[in-house]
Amino acid sequence: GQQVMQIPQYQHVQEGEDFTTYCNSSTTLSNIQWYKQRPGGHPVFLIQLVKSGEVKKQKRLTFQFGEAKKNSSLHITATQTTDVGTYFCCSNDYKLSFGAGTTVTVRA
Amino acid sequence: DAGVTQSPTHLIKTRGQQVTLRCSPISGHKSVSWYQQVLGQGPQFIFQYYEKEERGRGNFPDRFSARQFPNYSSELNVNALLLGDSALYLCASSSGQGGRNQPQHFGDGTRLSIL
Repeated sequence: GQQVMQIPQYQHVQEGEDFTTYCNSSTTLSNIQWYKQRPGGHPVFLIQLVKSGEVKKQKRLTFQFGEAKKNSSLHITATQTTDVGTYFCCSNDYKLSFGAGTTVTVRA
Repeated sequence: DAGVTQSPTHLIKTRGQQVTLRCSPISGHKSVSWYQQVLGQGPQFIFQYYEKEERGRGNFPDRFSARQFPNYSSELNVNALLLGDSALYLCASSSGQGGRNQPQHFGDGTRLSIL
């Protein structure tokens, strides 16, 4: 499978601040999917990016797929306590190849 | 509509035993995948089934096996359990052939503990 690396592995954010998590691959990806897993929960699908340079927004979340389709980013603005969890980027060539994820904690 | 359901939610076994985990996909979904998630890590792909046939297998030993039934539900079997098999086992279903560009919908998982 196509392996992806995520940085940072941990992100501790002050409520109200913005942050970005990055996803990188050494090979060209057919697509990128992002999932969120709350503590004690299961991964939940957030978004899929397929086209080179694609940008999609979901409220305070902005997802981007790189021009070369080798990297992706998730930017969250005005972080809230509900954003706590682990965010995974995955390539999906029929099976999901998860990275280690970025675990986000928020201090009020 | 019901999401992906898994049973049991928790299970405690001892080394050497065998375990069977069950999964019912979202209605209409014909593809089921199994993942193992060790604490602090991302899920690792074990199997994918579509229309009762195995479409993919991850890097897991032969002690792991699975099958899919005519109603698209699935079972994951693990034999000769090892301490390292302790993990959250997740089942995911997807529409279509479960190929590229198909979001996967996860169940709550089965927490397996090996003593």
